[in-house]
Amino acid sequence: DAGITQSPRHKVTETGTPVTLRCHQTENHRYMYWYRQDPGHGLRLIHYSYGVKDTDKGEVSDGYSVSRSKTEDFLLTLESATSSQTSVYFCAISETSGRVGGYNEQFFGPGTRLTVL
Amino acid sequence: SQQGEEDPQALSIQEGENATMNCSYKTSINNLQWYRQNSGRGLVHLILIRSNEREKHSGRLRVTLDTSKKSSSLLITASRAADTASYFCATKRDTGRRALTFGSGTRLQVQP
Repeated sequence: DAGITQSPRHKVTETGTPVTLRCHQTENHRYMYWYRQDPGHGLRLIHYSYGVKDTDKGEVSDGYSVSRSKTEDFLLTLESATSSQTSVYFCAISETSGRVGGYNEQFFGPGTRLTVL
Repeated sequence: SQQGEEDPQALSIQEGENATMNCSYKTSINNLQWYRQNSGRGLVHLILIRSNEREKHSGRLRVTLDTSKKSSSLLITASRAADTASYFCATKRDTGRRALTFGSGTRLQVQP
């Protein structure tokens, strides 16, 4: 999986508890992304990062926050988990910026299955 | 609504047959990419086609892009049981956000 690990791989938690998912890369890629995957919706972007301490919201960012203090780590936090956040979460990385002429091929981690009861 | 929408949602074929999946999108794009996802795994990049390209090949994969119709197709020739997976198109818009926008995918089942 292109030097990308996610932890934990599985987690069950209760509504209202905070949860942090970690994505770690060894590729030194500048760009990192968090997606969630739900049946019938494909992958939806939660947040992404274009450098250390530089992040931006995606299409489904409500209820999530992120932090990137080092190039290799991108953390996704659910401040107060809800049942609607039960999903499979994927981290991805890319090297090119996606500027015009940049292609933005992404490499994905193995995913974290989160269940909120 | 999704930027990329795949069609059909599910496809079942016999080994050796060709599989064709389609993707439609709404806005102007810089490039379009296809990814494969095996059950329980992350996505794997298959092929990328730029907005100024019309067709691209990679092994048994053939991708076409029609920007006037805002659509793309992925053809897998001589399919194998190992091609069984979900296939997603993803678009990189021409301007604005750097991230990709994924469709909801086509589930391909290749019967041995």
